[in-house]
Amino acid sequence: DGGITQSPKYLFRKEGQNVTLSCEQNLNHDAMYWYRQDPGQGLRLIYYSQIVNDFQKGDIAEGYSVSREKKESFPLTVTSAQKNPTAFYLCASSNLDGGLYEQYFGPGTRLTVT
Amino acid sequence: SQQGEEDPQALSIQEGENATMNCSYKTSINNLQWYRQNSGRGLVHLILIRSNEREKHSGRLRVTLDTSKKSSSLLITASRAADTASYFCATDARNDYKLSFGAGTTVTVRA
Repeated sequence: DGGITQSPKYLFRKEGQNVTLSCEQNLNHDAMYWYRQDPGQGLRLIYYSQIVNDFQKGDIAEGYSVSREKKESFPLTVTSAQKNPTAFYLCASSNLDGGLYEQYFGPGTRLTVT
Repeated sequence: SQQGEEDPQALSIQEGENATMNCSYKTSINNLQWYRQNSGRGLVHLILIRSNEREKHSGRLRVTLDTSKKSSSLLITASRAADTASYFCATDARNDYKLSFGAGTTVTVRA
């Protein structure tokens, strides 16, 4: 059963703590992405990666970090430097062959920081 | 940066009616895609239209693209309660695989 998994679905943290969100895909996709979505808004790109051990900053990378040690995995760490971390976080992946770049999304992780 | 802007922000229709939403973008694109998001869930890809295409159909969905006006429309015909969701357009530029999403149109289909 191919797809993208994100865990956990809900995450609660105290201010000042770092937290890592998991994203795994078994679609054999080269590219992976992290987005942030705030209520009633669209998706904003945090980080993206085309290949193992390489990633680029998106539009709102400050306060976040990622790693891409395996093709299947792209974990996102929300650091204490992120000023407003409470949001819905979405991970996606895409195949880069053919130039169509359709993205497949995970179910999301809702992070609440108090 | 958000390249696409959807219009209207919200739409409420009766079951069986058609729903039309529009997307405008600022810079040249390679492809334009539409996605659906049910409340609290991830996005699901609906349809992709290339920059050299003008119209595309998939089931009850019809997408048009006017590159001269930098705009696209998504039409859902004979809407159902299950079509209640937010709809987003997303564009990618030539030689760039990342997508830029609009803010979305929230569609409510009343039974």
